[in-house]
Amino acid sequence: EVQLVQSGAEVKKPGATVKISCKVSGYTFTDYYIHWVQQAPGKGLEWMGLVDPENGETIYAEKFQGRFTVTADTSTDTAYMELSSLRSEDTAVYFCAAGVLRNSPGDHWGQGTLVTVSS
Amino acid sequence: SYELTQPPSVSVSPGQTARITCSADGLPKQYAYWYHQKPGQAPVLVIYKDSERPSGIPERFSGSSSGTTVTLTISGVQAEDEADYYCQSVDNSGTYVLFGGGTKLTVL
Repeated sequence: EVQLVQSGAEVKKPGATVKISCKVSGYTFTDYYIHWVQQAPGKGLEWMGLVDPENGETIYAEKFQGRFTVTADTSTDTAYMELSSLRSEDTAVYFCAAGVLRNSPGDHWGQGTLVTVSS
Repeated sequence: SYELTQPPSVSVSPGQTARITCSADGLPKQYAYWYHQKPGQAPVLVIYKDSERPSGIPERFSGSSSGTTVTLTISGVQAEDEADYYCQSVDNSGTYVLFGGGTKLTVL
């Protein structure tokens, strides 16, 4: 069974950096792209970017370029996202998703991680 | 910029057919994917590549494409289908994943 388990909720101050992990199991880590999706409270889904665990290639949505980083650790089958210079608008649930296609997050998602940015 | 446009809401009675559209604002048209999401849960893929249904998704969910518009059809809607529905595709360079704004399906 494919599973993606994300790290727990975070509370951060404006200007800080948050790092979220996404531990996968049930498939070969390098076979699927890992996508990251943001969902602000009461809002829709917004794609942030992806990493190809096979070669570390990344693609970032224009909105998040510069302060968003995704990595993949093949020794632990874990993907990470890091968002820096946090502001209140970054308060959201962040999902990781494993997709066999680069152009879709696919049908395996983590449970989501709530990040609250507050002074 | 490339956008996917969905109606904000659709309402149907149980047993009726719900149709949710998603219009892309340019060509070439790329494949579309559909997700539903219930409150507090992760999205679930219900249609991929315009009209393919993942295993485990009920047959009442179907997808179609015409021009730059794709449509998710739910036949014989059930109360459990009440959720937010998102279409997803990529921009016309094929590089960046995009989501539509979402449609709230209400089962009356």
